[in-house]
Amino acid sequence: DAKTTQPNSMESNEEEPVHLPCNHSTISGTDYIHWYRQLPSQGPEYVIHGLTSNVNNRMASLAIAEDRKSSTLILHRATLRDAAVYYCILRDLSNFGNEKLTFGTGTRLTIIP
Amino acid sequence: NAGVMQNPRHLVRRRGQEARLRCSPMKGHSHVYWYRQLPEEGLKFMVYLQKENIIDESGMPKERFSAEFPKEGPSILRIQQVVRGDSAAYFCASSRTRQASSYEQYFGPGTRLTVT
Repeated sequence: DAKTTQPNSMESNEEEPVHLPCNHSTISGTDYIHWYRQLPSQGPEYVIHGLTSNVNNRMASLAIAEDRKSSTLILHRATLRDAAVYYCILRDLSNFGNEKLTFGTGTRLTIIP
Repeated sequence: NAGVMQNPRHLVRRRGQEARLRCSPMKGHSHVYWYRQLPEEGLKFMVYLQKENIIDESGMPKERFSAEFPKEGPSILRIQQVVRGDSAAYFCASSRTRQASSYEQYFGPGTRLTVT
């Protein structure tokens, strides 16, 4: 799987939008961009994924650059419950047996009340 | 619909003992993954199983570790002759299908293994 680069940490004020960046300059055409998060003392949780177009769901939005070399996870109105480590992961499922998630170091998001 | 269940949540073993970690996937899921998270480190893939088959064990240590997912019952991660370095959180995840358009993995709460 291609590599991703994320800032180690970010802070945001409660009830404000948060933009979490991810660089993936070596992304291939068959790589999907997935985001997971891990709240303290819990297992990771799926957030969102996309291929080329921007995506929205009840948790977040995913903005994908036109050249797909970067993406941004957007939390529209952060709450204290959003404090977690956020992982940006590229997944190429075109080959059988390639299903594992490869976690990097992620971005530790701190929400300031 | 119950999520992924793991037990025990906490497990303490003395050096040299065996540890057995259990994972029940979500209903309807036939793919199971095990990951390990060492203290203050990221999650590392260990093994991917489908019912009765190991698909990818590229992340499993060559010795003392084994995993199974029988036709009936939970998936088991077994660690023989545990050492202090095995102390970690072990997470299980499951998924329904490998279809790329809807392929999220659902994680359990983890088993925290402490070797004394």
